[in-house]
This record gives sequence, C-alpha cells and structure tokens, in this order.
Amino acid sequence: QKEVEQDPGPLSVPDGAIVSLNCTYSNSAFQYFMWYRQYSRKGPELLMYTYSSGNKEDGRFTAQVDKSSKYISLFIRDSQPSDSATYLCAFYATSGTYKYIFGTGTRLKVLA
Amino acid sequence: NAGVTQTPKFRVLKTGQSMTLLCAQDMNHEYMYWYRQDPGMGLRLIHYSVGEGTTAKGEVPDGYNVSRLKKQNFLLGLESAAPSQTSVYFCASSYSPDRGSGYTFGSGTRLTVV
Repeated sequence: QKEVEQDPGPLSVPDGAIVSLNCTYSNSAFQYFMWYRQYSRKGPELLMYTYSSGNKEDGRFTAQVDKSSKYISLFIRDSQPSDSATYLCAFYATSGTYKYIFGTGTRLKVLA
Repeated sequence: NAGVTQTPKFRVLKTGQSMTLLCAQDMNHEYMYWYRQDPGMGLRLIHYSVGEGTTAKGEVPDGYNVSRLKKQNFLLGLESAAPSQTSVYFCASSYSPDRGSGYTFGSGTRLTVV
C-alpha cells in the first residue's frame, strides 16, 4: 500500500463550481497536513497548512482533515479559471525524518 | 524578493557530461532539499540538508551528489549524466519541519539529457 494516494485527474469543472480534491494516507504518525498549488512550469507554492483534525478556511479555500479515516480534502468554492493548476497534498510526521511526503498531484482545469 | 533561486533554468546535456545545479535562498532557512519531478511520479527527494555542512540521502540519490558549504546555498551535481536523469529539478528550503512550517520552492531547472 502506498503511503499517500491522490487521484491524478485531470478534473475539469465549469467556472463557479465547488471543487473537492482528496488524498488518503496510511501513516498514522502524520501530524502536519498541507496543500500545495503548482501552476504549469512553476514550482509548488504552499496553499494551506493544518495541524489537527477539523476544518481550516482561507478565503475560497477550505482544508479538511479526518485523522480517524486518514483522509484529507481541499475544497475550492466559486472556482475560477485562475485556479487551474496541479494540487499536491503533503504530509509530515515529527519523527526526525525532516522530510515531507507528497502526493502525486491532481490536475484541475476550471473552464471559463 | 525573498525566496529560492535556482540556476540554470534550462539545460541540455549529452550523455556522460557533468553539471552542477545551484540553489540559493535568502530566508535564513536551515533545511534545504533537492527534488526531481517526473510525470506520474510526483516529487521524489534526491538529497537534503539539515544545516550548513550536512547532507543526507533521499529516496533517489544514485547518480547525484550534493554539497552545502554555505547555509544559503545547496548544490546538486551530476557527475556523468544519463538519459534517465532527464527531469525537472526543484530546490526547496524551510525552517525545521518540526516547527510546522512549509517548504518554499524554487521555480525549477528543466534538464534534458540526450
């Protein structure tokens, strides 16, 4: 079983739609949960960062963590064409490894 | 602007040639990382450093060497390039991940080995 699973997409949605992006993980030691956005031919940029189970909201973006199900989600409300990018989930366990574990990314296209 | 700068941005190498990729950060981060990104494979860690003068292997270190002589710089070397090393290389830096901070990535180096 892979440590992190992420649907590669591509996911195409119309302008204004609500988007749900998801990752599952198997390592119960993960304590930090992140979402990165990567535009074409650019480096990933940190979008959302959460420490515990529950929801965290930032503008049109909501990150949700369910530790009991080992499942994290990123919701994008009122999606815009400028949200078209690849979204990567990332995880970290404070076990001295000093390394994040990344999902393979989901490619999102928001149609105008 | 503060951030992570990678040079060069593009490079074409012939099989067997060598080259060095440079990563520089101006955020006083202790931790620095080199990743490669390939279609369908995601980001794979090559080497990383937890401070000046330190280096450690990641999940795909073979064929690469690194050095961290100065805190702000992290160099990735290919001694004898192979077509399998054709990829996009990203450098990242951070404070200690135990502090709950994310990575800052550079804009990448696109390397083609022919």
